[in-house]
Amino acid sequence: KNQVEQSPQSLIILEGKNCTLQCNYTVSPFSNLRWYKQDTGRGPVSLTIMTFSENTKSNGRYTATLDADTKQSSLHITASQLSDSASYICVVSAGAGTYKYIFGTGTRLKVLA
Amino acid sequence: NAGVTQTPKFRILKIGQSMTLQCAQDMNHNYMYWYRQDPGMGLKLIYYSVGAGITDKGEVPNGYNVSRSTTEDFPLRLELAAPSQTSVYFCASRAIAGETDTQYFGPGTRLTVL
Repeated sequence: KNQVEQSPQSLIILEGKNCTLQCNYTVSPFSNLRWYKQDTGRGPVSLTIMTFSENTKSNGRYTATLDADTKQSSLHITASQLSDSASYICVVSAGAGTYKYIFGTGTRLKVLA
Repeated sequence: NAGVTQTPKFRILKIGQSMTLQCAQDMNHNYMYWYRQDPGMGLKLIYYSVGAGITDKGEVPNGYNVSRSTTEDFPLRLELAAPSQTSVYFCASRAIAGETDTQYFGPGTRLTVL
């Protein structure tokens, strides 16, 4: 069964600190892995997209890594800001299908001043 | 560009009522999707469309219908609302150029069925 699991479920950190969010997947065939940021009451916004051959992708203070062998990805946030408070969702695209996106349940991050 | 827009933002329905959730995009994207997001769960695909006149079922299509008469619009119809349809609904669109194209999401419609 295609699944995407994220950990931790929630995380609280102080402003300025770094953090790492985890994503494990059992999706086959694998096409690409995406990380989204979802602010409360808003739709998800894409942060990074990685294909099988890419093992790291950065977007400002966000850096995603992918280990296709172990089927794991992480999202590292550097020097966190209050505006980073949001849910972060890992999404895996299953093969070349136009709709087969498997969504994780997200990690809810709270950054405190 | 307005991107992906959805109306209404909030709605309360009684059991058995019907309604249409509107979704429009101005990016000339071929692919459009409807998802529902339940508390503590990942987004689930309801219906999707690869172009005007073409729609197909996703994971959880029961109780919903869609149409795609134009590239821009992709409305979602609930015919007989049930409490199980209480959820937040997101519309999304994507260009066709490649597998790594970004999916753009609308702001969502929060629906409560009582």
